[in-house]
Parts: sequence; C-alpha cells; structure tokens
Amino acid sequence: DTGVSQNPRHKITKRGQNVTFRCDPISEHNRLYWYRQTLGQGPEFLTYFQNEAQLEKSRLLSDRFSAERPKGSFSTLEIQRTEQGDSAMYLCASSLGVRGNEQFFGPGTRLTVL
Amino acid sequence: AQSVTQPDIHITVSEGASLELRCNYSYGATPYLFWYVQSPGQGLQLLLKYFSGDTLVQGIKGFEAEFKRSQSSFNLRKPSVHWSDAAEYFCAVGVGGGADGLTFGKGTHLIIQP
Repeated sequence: DTGVSQNPRHKITKRGQNVTFRCDPISEHNRLYWYRQTLGQGPEFLTYFQNEAQLEKSRLLSDRFSAERPKGSFSTLEIQRTEQGDSAMYLCASSLGVRGNEQFFGPGTRLTVL
Repeated sequence: AQSVTQPDIHITVSEGASLELRCNYSYGATPYLFWYVQSPGQGLQLLLKYFSGDTLVQGIKGFEAEFKRSQSSFNLRKPSVHWSDAAEYFCAVGVGGGADGLTFGKGTHLIIQP
C-alpha cells in the first residue's frame, strides 16, 4: 500500500468551468475526508464519508461542490462553475474511523482558477 | 464550535536550539489533539496525538507535546532542532475523536537558521 493518492496534482482552469478531482484512500480505510487549504491557512474540513455514505458537509461546501464515493473506495470532488475564490489546495485523507485514529493525508490537488 | 489558535505565524530558531510551538484550543468535550507537519510539496504527516493518559506525549522525529487542560494548551517541543525540521506545523482538534473530521489552526512556519 502506497498511501493516499490524489489526481491530478495540479489543475488550471478558467472561471466558469467544471473540474473534478479524484482521491484513492488507503484500501482498508472506511472513512474518507476532504479538506481545502488556502495560502497561509490551515486545512478546512469540507466533508467526509463512511464507506459510501456522506455523513457530514461543512457550510463551506456550497451548492457548486459535490462529492461522491460510489463504491466506498475512491472518491471524487466536483466543483461546478468555478470561481477565482475556489483556488486552493484540495486535500484528501482517510482513516479507520475509530476515535483517536490518525487521518492519513494525500499530497493534494492544487487548483488555480484564472 | 471548536477552534484552534496558533499564535505564532513564523518562528525562527537556530539549528541545535530548542523549540516550542504554541497551540491553544477551544472544545466543549474531551479534546483529541493532534500535531501535523507539512513540508513543501509533501502531504501532512502526523507527529503525535493526545486523547487520554499521560499528558506528556512523545511523537516521531524527536518531538513531544504537553497537554495542559487548565490552560487549554497543547504545545509542541523539541530539545534540539535540525535543518530538516523547517516546515509548516499545524495543531488540530478532532471532532468525534478525530473520526468525524479535524479542525486545524492556521499553522506556524518554522525557519531554521544555520
């Protein structure tokens, strides 16, 4: 197992376009998390899944954002009609979902909206 | 709602000197506390965590942290820093013991002087 992977690592898009990111968690982990990190800030929680069920969404996750984990394995995060304010690093993490367990983070996808 | 404050945005330390990074949290229940490190181009890596027991916890890379409930603090320490410790350090409090998501501070950027 090579850890959490994210693709693409970088994405440049024009305002108004839709983008989709993919996260592959550590295989035995049932919880998967998405965070957003802007320059000079700590990661901010967006949403998380227990297997295929999306259990919580932050109010940061506007209607333009949608996340899925259809088979309880990989997850996708889609942003529709991107805005310049969406430019950020999008981080994915996974864990066993037990209290006190570590969340393992992927390298992130850096989104730049022109 | 939970929150984490890291009062120092930047800290500069000479190589071989001791280090202390400050973290204060606000959380209504028993806190699960974490320190992560983020190096340029790297994912977040867990240094250590605390949720019960001995209030002085040992982590990887020679780091330790002390939980002080009376001060709502969880400060990170290292007796002698190495140039490779230069990175961004994040303190986080775990919702649901961390299983439901993490709330991060804004981070402290550590600079090591030769």
